[in-house]
Amino acid sequence: DAGVTQSPTHLIKTRGQQVTLRCSPKSGHDTVSWYQQALGQGPQFIFQYYEEEERQRGNFPDRFSGHQFPNYSSELNVNALLLGDSALYLCASSLVELAGRTDTQYFGPGTRLTVL
Amino acid sequence: AQKITQTQPGMFVQEKEAVTLDCTYDTSDPSYGLFWYKQPSSGEMIFLIYQGSYDQQNATEGRYSLNFQKARKSANLVISASQLGDSAMYFCAMREGRRSNTGKLIFGQGTTLQVKP
Repeated sequence: DAGVTQSPTHLIKTRGQQVTLRCSPKSGHDTVSWYQQALGQGPQFIFQYYEEEERQRGNFPDRFSGHQFPNYSSELNVNALLLGDSALYLCASSLVELAGRTDTQYFGPGTRLTVL
Repeated sequence: AQKITQTQPGMFVQEKEAVTLDCTYDTSDPSYGLFWYKQPSSGEMIFLIYQGSYDQQNATEGRYSLNFQKARKSANLVISASQLGDSAMYFCAMREGRRSNTGKLIFGQGTTLQVKP
């Protein structure tokens, strides 16, 4: 059973550049959530995608955008990178239950982004 | 506002002994879920255990158990018979209740556990 996969593992960018991170959900899952984890902190929710639409968004600027594809995989795009965007970006997948609620989230290994 | 508090930045435990990691939460929603995740140095967040707010019994998963005290709003993780591989960062997280169906998780600051041989 394939778990959540993310690519790339590490990424180094300079200020002002744009970056795209990718995530493939666990087999059977239809929902992808993205989190940002700064060094020494707990993860912070960026947004969640379900049925190719953004379902909920956390307190992040519009520079952060995403997309979900028909195969449920997802991309996180960050424009105009700032030094403060340096973090571990975690993708989590889950399944929407019959009642519409989202089940337990399973995380991928993350992408470590460094902005110089 | 919903909040998770983990007051122990770091903990040490001797191999084969039990350890309790503290977690308190704050929410006005009667329906919520509490999770514990383990994060080794590799970075991946590994799901350990889940407790629903309406569950009558404390959750258990192998060596992990959750000491759920609803009136005190605490959800402590107990790891029995610690192993060297248990050394990692541990996060307590809460899922929003009825106000949101997305399962957005709110995390605490984490506790670093080191198991001594």
